[in-house]
Amino acid sequence: GAVVSQHPSRVICKSGTSVKIECRSLDFQATTMFWYRQFPKKSLMLMATSNEGSKATYEQGVEKDKFLINHASLTLSTLTVTSAHPEDSSFYICSARDRAGGREKLFFGSGTQLSVL
Amino acid sequence: AQSVTQPDIHITVSEGASLELRCNYSYGATPYLFWYVQSPGQGLQLLLKYFSGDTLVQGIKGFEAEFKRSQSSFNLRKPSVHWSDAAEYFCAVGAGAFGNEKLTFGTGTRLTIIP
Repeated sequence: GAVVSQHPSRVICKSGTSVKIECRSLDFQATTMFWYRQFPKKSLMLMATSNEGSKATYEQGVEKDKFLINHASLTLSTLTVTSAHPEDSSFYICSARDRAGGREKLFFGSGTQLSVL
Repeated sequence: AQSVTQPDIHITVSEGASLELRCNYSYGATPYLFWYVQSPGQGLQLLLKYFSGDTLVQGIKGFEAEFKRSQSSFNLRKPSVHWSDAAEYFCAVGAGAFGNEKLTFGTGTRLTIIP
């Protein structure tokens, strides 16, 4: 079964509103989660690295005030798209890193399709 | 900067036939290379990964991939595909101790299986 739960899977919102996407690790603690964005027929692009208890690290060109990331617990990271506009419409995917036992695995959520009208 | 190219957007293969999905990468050092598969409504699942050592890597579901440094390639293969293999396949290159930092993905190859 899924070890990373991402919600919602699909959201439609009006331009100017804010949308929150949740990423939860279900059976492990994730000090680090990653947020990606995918445009149609394009690669998944890393947006930011979310670290529990500290500020997220954003990739070049990603507006941190636009895409607010909160990683307040070891099992939950949220991405809030603020004042969404049609150009923010995209597929957003999170991943969570499991470092238990000295090994490292990465688990992905099933993604969120955001459509801004 | 690292980059990944998957030249085939869509491939159609008959069930039982062999499969090869192409992946070329650009990376400054020895790369960490991955193949992921995504079925509709599912998250990306790791098929296999290459860090070092044997250049022929075995993965889950009968997949294998071969790292060829001279060609900057990491092609995915399967000798006989099953209808359940229909999905989107992503090649990726990463950094960090386990290669999971700053993953860069290709644009994906959609695999269709016909009877």
